Amino acid sequence: DGGITQSPKYLFRKEGQNVTLSCEQNLNHDAMYWYRQDPGQGLRLIYYSQIVNDFQKGDIAEGYSVSREKKESFPLTVTSAQKNPTAFYLCASSIQGAGQETQYFGPGTRLLVL
Amino acid sequence: GDSVTQMEGPVTLSEEAFLTINCTYTATGYPSLFWYVQYPGEGLQLLLKATKADDKGSNKGFEATYRKETTSFHLEKGSVQVSDSAVYFCALMSSASKIIFGSGTRLSIRP
Repeated sequence: DGGITQSPKYLFRKEGQNVTLSCEQNLNHDAMYWYRQDPGQGLRLIYYSQIVNDFQKGDIAEGYSVSREKKESFPLTVTSAQKNPTAFYLCASSIQGAGQETQYFGPGTRLLVL
Repeated sequence: GDSVTQMEGPVTLSEEAFLTINCTYTATGYPSLFWYVQYPGEGLQLLLKATKADDKGSNKGFEATYRKETTSFHLEKGSVQVSDSAVYFCALMSSASKIIFGSGTRLSIRP
């Protein structure tokens, strides 16, 4: 089945540790996105990529990094510089051009700090 | 900048009640508008959308009409079910081709 997978479902981070969240899609979409969701709040855009080997900062990129070496993969690294990383992280993808407003979301990864 | 404001939750209704979740927006021009739904422990799913003024989006018994005069896109359903319990997000496509989400409204339906 086509879709977006995120792993792991739960991730624990120790102080000063970098962790990487996986996002894979087999929808052949050019664009991919990372959002952060905090309780009672909407989604905030961290990074997005419209094409392989290119990505742009979203509204809250500080303390995060990404790579887009393959079309189907868009991993997010939460670095030690992110002082409040506890949140639900959602990855999404879409086509480019007409229809790009329909984003397809993965099931999310919940990150907790030990 | 562009923004979306939706009614705060939680909203609690009895089964078969009428649902309205208000959503208003601020944007340059006439953006495409959406409602996304998030079921517990899952990512978001597109529920419906409207791309121009007076368009009505509909899906699974839910409807929303793009009203440019009032810059609104209220979500309605005539008879809700327990399975409709979820968080609903209103959103728009900004002029920079990014989706701007509202803060979400949690809906709980009592049997």
